[in-house]
Amino acid sequence: KQEVTQIPAALSVPEGENLVLNCSFTDSAIYNLQWFRQDPGKGLTSLLLIQSSQREQTSGRLNASLDKSSGRSTLYIAASQPGDSATYLCAVPNSGYSTLTFGKGTMLLVSP
Amino acid sequence: KAGVTQTPRYLIKTRGQQVTLSCSPISGHRSVSWYQQTPGQGLQFLFEYFSETQRNKGNFPGRFSGRQFSNSRSEMNVSTLELGDSALYLCASSRDREGDIQYFGAGTRLSVL
Repeated sequence: KQEVTQIPAALSVPEGENLVLNCSFTDSAIYNLQWFRQDPGKGLTSLLLIQSSQREQTSGRLNASLDKSSGRSTLYIAASQPGDSATYLCAVPNSGYSTLTFGKGTMLLVSP
Repeated sequence: KAGVTQTPRYLIKTRGQQVTLSCSPISGHRSVSWYQQTPGQGLQFLFEYFSETQRNKGNFPGRFSGRQFSNSRSEMNVSTLELGDSALYLCASSRDREGDIQYFGAGTRLSVL
């Protein structure tokens, strides 16, 4: 059974800092890995999807990497802003299905 | 292109009642999945529907059920509500294949008093 772990559970940084969020998964036979953002009380917004054949994916100030062999992914946020404050979740597809297994997320607070 | 639409956005019910939540997927998407999100357990998979058939089910009691209609719209029902059912219920749609991007709705916040 796939398990997804995210470290740290919470992170507080001053505005302007670069930061890294970590995600690990137990079954490396994944099709892809997806990073989401969730604002308090809201739904999920897809940030980046990395295919298993890719090692990195970038969108603006966000960069996600994937190392299938070690079962790890990182989300790098450059020059953090208060508007980046949210919970960040990573998720991997369940083998053979269209559904996802999620980590419990990292709650990020960026202070002005 | 309209996104995934969930209704209602908020619900307040009392223990023992039942509730029905609705999800309209993105046009052309045939797979609809439901997830429950609580502070303690995080996001947990409930069930997935494809072509009006339940294709996959998570580890939830039989009080949780769902269905999908021919237009791919889906409903989930929770009977005999318990306090622990208070959660954010999220619906996601995708085209079908494993690894397809999942698009999520804004969710329905259920409070059981």
